[in-house]
Amino acid sequence: SAVISQKPSRDICQRGTSLTIQCQVDSQVTMMFWYRQQPGQSLTLIATANQGSEATYESGFVIDKFPISRPNLTFSTLTVSNMSPEDSSIYLCSVRGLAGNEQYFGPGTRLTVT
Amino acid sequence: AQSVSQHNHHVILSEAASLELGCNYSYGGTVNLFWYVQYPGQHLQLLLKYFSGDPLVKGIKGFEAEFIKSKFSFNLRKPSVQWSDTAEYFCAVNTPNTDKLIFGTGTRLQVFP
Repeated sequence: SAVISQKPSRDICQRGTSLTIQCQVDSQVTMMFWYRQQPGQSLTLIATANQGSEATYESGFVIDKFPISRPNLTFSTLTVSNMSPEDSSIYLCSVRGLAGNEQYFGPGTRLTVT
Repeated sequence: AQSVSQHNHHVILSEAASLELGCNYSYGGTVNLFWYVQYPGQHLQLLLKYFSGDPLVKGIKGFEAEFIKSKFSFNLRKPSVQWSDTAEYFCAVNTPNTDKLIFGTGTRLQVFP
């Protein structure tokens, strides 16, 4: 399985500001995914990021709020824009495994918005 | 829309007890099924997966899960739990032509020595 790192591991931000989360993979991968885990809830897919194309967003998530970059096959960023307390969550990136449809997850970024 | 239900939100067991965590999904077609585990302070790890074939799949650390298509279930089992199994367990599903994982709400397992 791939080794995935995320930065920052946690942050406390003020409402109205933006935070960019970085995801680095130790091998080249075609697809990277960004999930959100709100307090007490399950993981929800935000978007799929392919290298060289626009990210594909799930229903309820928009590019203006969660812009994503995918400059190469080992790196992606997710920005949480104009934050409000409702954005307080753990944000995780994942990649697809080589064997099939399983995914491997990074350690997550715990975001608190005050 | 697909959904995944985990009916046990919090399970407390003593060491050596047997474990079964329920997982039901709602989707009529072919599915891939997964159990993930998150140990305290660690990231989400794949415990086991089912794509096709033998409906009884074995994962790491002595865990197994059985896919029962007629019941839309993929329950996780372990015959004898250890204190180190204390963690949160997530069931997830996707379809062969998509990558989007649909997760259940998770089951918190506490094992006491």
